[in-house]
Amino acid sequence: KAGVTQTPRYLIKTRGQQVTLSCSPISGHRSVSWYQQTPGQGLQFLFEYFSETQRNKGNFPGRFSGRQFSNSRSEMNVSTLELGDSALYLCASSRSRPEGTEAFFGQGTRLTVV
Amino acid sequence: KNQVEQSPQSLIILEGKNCTLQCNYTVSPFSNLRWYKQDTGRGPVSLTIMTFSENTKSNGRYTATLDADTKQSSLHITASQLSDSASYICVVSADRFRGGYALNFGKGTSLLVTP
Repeated sequence: KAGVTQTPRYLIKTRGQQVTLSCSPISGHRSVSWYQQTPGQGLQFLFEYFSETQRNKGNFPGRFSGRQFSNSRSEMNVSTLELGDSALYLCASSRSRPEGTEAFFGQGTRLTVV
Repeated sequence: KNQVEQSPQSLIILEGKNCTLQCNYTVSPFSNLRWYKQDTGRGPVSLTIMTFSENTKSNGRYTATLDADTKQSSLHITASQLSDSASYICVVSADRFRGGYALNFGKGTSLLVTP
């Protein structure tokens, strides 16, 4: 079966712009969680959506937001981009609870802010 | 503060040799601990997941151990192969009051297996 699909794979944006990233989970998975990965900080949890509701949230500013649609696909939005937002953004899908069941990651979207 | 510390930060070994990666955590209340393998340019792939009551779990040449008393975990790789070259990330999940959870990530160990 198809894995987790993230689009686009690469993105270059200018400071102050906004960006939307997309994640299509594995069929049947209702939980989608988002992560930011940088060389200095490693992986950091952004938020998790389950059945169109944000169920958990990490410690990121309000510029980072997300949503989930009825088909479980999820989008993540970052407004007013800063240079420090340059990172690999990963999403993961799981059947129910990502912390209790295996989560499957996508390939990620590499965002560069210039 | 919940923390996950991994060591060593990087490691170079010869093909065919064994190695052990360490993960120490201060996360509480503990829910589970996972080891992920992340190849360069790809998303992490789960190797093992262990709950409080599990001491050892294997996945092929990968064996993870957990000592919940000392809050330490290790990932042992047997007969390493070139394809084992990757970053290995330890993730510890904690339960939150009123349900929910918190994920705590180590910064990973970068392993390079050379011919």
